[in-house]
Amino acid sequence: DTGVSQDPRHKITKRGQNVTFRCDPISEHNRLYWYRQTLGQGPEFLTYFQNEAQLEKSRLLSDRFSAERPKGSFSTLEIQRTEQGDSAMYLCASSHAGTGKTEAFFGQGTRLTVV
Amino acid sequence: DQQVKQNSPSLSVQEGRISILNCDYTNSMFDYFLWYKKYPAEGPTFLISISSIKDKNEDGRFTVFLNKSAKHLSLHIVPSQPGDSAVYFCAASEETSGSRLTFGEGTQLTVNP
Repeated sequence: DTGVSQDPRHKITKRGQNVTFRCDPISEHNRLYWYRQTLGQGPEFLTYFQNEAQLEKSRLLSDRFSAERPKGSFSTLEIQRTEQGDSAMYLCASSHAGTGKTEAFFGQGTRLTVV
Repeated sequence: DQQVKQNSPSLSVQEGRISILNCDYTNSMFDYFLWYKKYPAEGPTFLISISSIKDKNEDGRFTVFLNKSAKHLSLHIVPSQPGDSAVYFCAASEETSGSRLTFGEGTQLTVNP
């Protein structure tokens, strides 16, 4: 399977704990995106990487959120001191810049529940 | 501010008929538009896209129409099938922003047998 892979699929955590999610993009894709989706809304952009460089962060990404893509392959998204408002589906997507097509392919997401 | 808007939260059609999903946008810098389909507990699946230099793109049963002057696009599904029942998201991007996607709120399509 060469699609976008996310781990874990589900995470339940207590308020105040730290959580980390992993995303493995499609191997030949150089762009990787993180989005967050809450019930009844479309996905909202959080941040994106081109290779290992983090090129943009949304204002939605508070100081408690940090993302890395150390070798330009997989990426991690960490949320520190989780709050109930962080409960959402966290989606990762990848695409290949420079092909003239900008469609991004999504993983199945990580459902975070903060209790 | 909602730059991409899908005004119909839901749409119900009969199997075999046409489904038309609509989307409006406000940002004139958007140059690429996409439709995604999403089933519960799964990530969005790419369906079809259109560049701002075109006004129509067709792929099998799916056709996307773009009206730049009206800042409006639509997805036509003909004929509709029960397996098409899902939430459909319209999305837009501008290459200069790294192609990050701005999504609408989604439209729940139900195709009745």
